[in-house]
Amino acid sequence: KNQVEQSPQSLIILEGKNCTLQCNYTVSPFSNLRWYKQDTGRGPVSLTIMTFSENTKSNGRYTATLDADTKQSSLHITASQLSDSASYICVVSPILTGGGNKLTFGTGTQLKVEL
Amino acid sequence: NAGVTQTPKFRILKIGQSMTLQCAQDMNHNYMYWYRQDPGMGLKLIYYSVGAGITDKGEVPNGYNVSRSTTEDFPLRLELAAPSQTSVYFCASSERVETDTQYFGPGTRLTVL
Repeated sequence: KNQVEQSPQSLIILEGKNCTLQCNYTVSPFSNLRWYKQDTGRGPVSLTIMTFSENTKSNGRYTATLDADTKQSSLHITASQLSDSASYICVVSPILTGGGNKLTFGTGTQLKVEL
Repeated sequence: NAGVTQTPKFRILKIGQSMTLQCAQDMNHNYMYWYRQDPGMGLKLIYYSVGAGITDKGEVPNGYNVSRSTTEDFPLRLELAAPSQTSVYFCASSERVETDTQYFGPGTRLTVL
């Protein structure tokens, strides 16, 4: 069964510090890997999308990396801000031969940034 | 652009009642999706549509129905609500499939008692 596992489950850091979130997946073959940010009570918002041939993608203070050989991805957040407090979800899209985009979602890492 | 909108935001149903969750997008996207998010679980795909008049089942379709009569609207129908359908429901849309960003609505929190 295709799975996406994220670690840690939750994380608390001080404002201004950096952090790295991990994602391991077994979806294979896969088309692309995505990271989403989900604020409490809101829908997920896309941060990055990487195809299997890319190994890094940045969006402001967010940098995602991908190692397709070890099936691992990480999301690095630089100089954290209070507004970074959210759940960060890793999502893997398999290569499909038919219609539809049946993404496999991780359960997310809950990040809290404190003063 | 309003993006993806969903109504209602919250709803409480009694067991056996029915309701329709509304979803609309103004980005002229062909692809639309319904997900449910249970506490501590990843989002699960309920149904999706690749264009007006075309819908297909996702991972957890039982107890739900959808229709897609226009590009903009993709309502989700719950028939005979059950406590297992207590969840947060998200509608999303994308322009294409493989590498496109999915844009999510704000969600509908449904409780079945």
